[in-house]
Amino acid sequence: AQKVTQAQTEISVVEKEDVTLDCVYETRDTTYYLFWYKQPPSGELVFLIRRNSFDEQNEISGRYSWNFQKSTSSFNFTITASQVVDSAVYFCALSEKAGGYQKVTFGTGTKLQVIP
Amino acid sequence: GAVVSQHPSWVICKSGTSVKIECRSLDFQATTMFWYRQFPKQSLMLMATSNEGSKATYEQGVEKDKFLINHASLTLSTLTVTSAHPEDSSFYICSARGHGWGYFGPGTRLTVT
Repeated sequence: AQKVTQAQTEISVVEKEDVTLDCVYETRDTTYYLFWYKQPPSGELVFLIRRNSFDEQNEISGRYSWNFQKSTSSFNFTITASQVVDSAVYFCALSEKAGGYQKVTFGTGTKLQVIP
Repeated sequence: GAVVSQHPSWVICKSGTSVKIECRSLDFQATTMFWYRQFPKQSLMLMATSNEGSKATYEQGVEKDKFLINHASLTLSTLTVTSAHPEDSSFYICSARGHGWGYFGPGTRLTVT
């Protein structure tokens, strides 16, 4: 069975600090996909990134960067120079084929509060 | 990008009544739709998966007779919460998937009084 663990329940940082959100996953599949979503207070999920299990190249996109380490089953997310608008709940998710469907399992989320 | 809409965005209903939530894929044909439920300050939990024209597959612990899912067309799926009770109050999010990746709807907040 697939499982996603986000050990950090809540994080508070002061604006302009860097912050890393941790994600550890479990799966028996060799082909799978990992995601990060942002959920602001409005509730709508905002897609941030998708990475497949064969691509361990880390990525930087503006103030966001991701560190995928297959050896440790981790997919961490870093926000550089955090801003108040980054305050939200961030979910890490894992997708693998279950019964032919791309079933997505979400972590419990990390609530990030950026203090001005 | 692909857009998925949900209607209504929020609804308040009295205990014992039924509520229907619609999920539409606006610019693609969704062969598969997923329904998730999110309780306050908790994660999203998959409730059921449905393919167009066939019965939905429910996750363990989700009552089929209480949460009726209909996926009658390639652009529309509905979730009906029958005989709603206060414990059904939650945020319901759908995800629609065509040939590519799934896209999430904006969610529907249900409050049962």
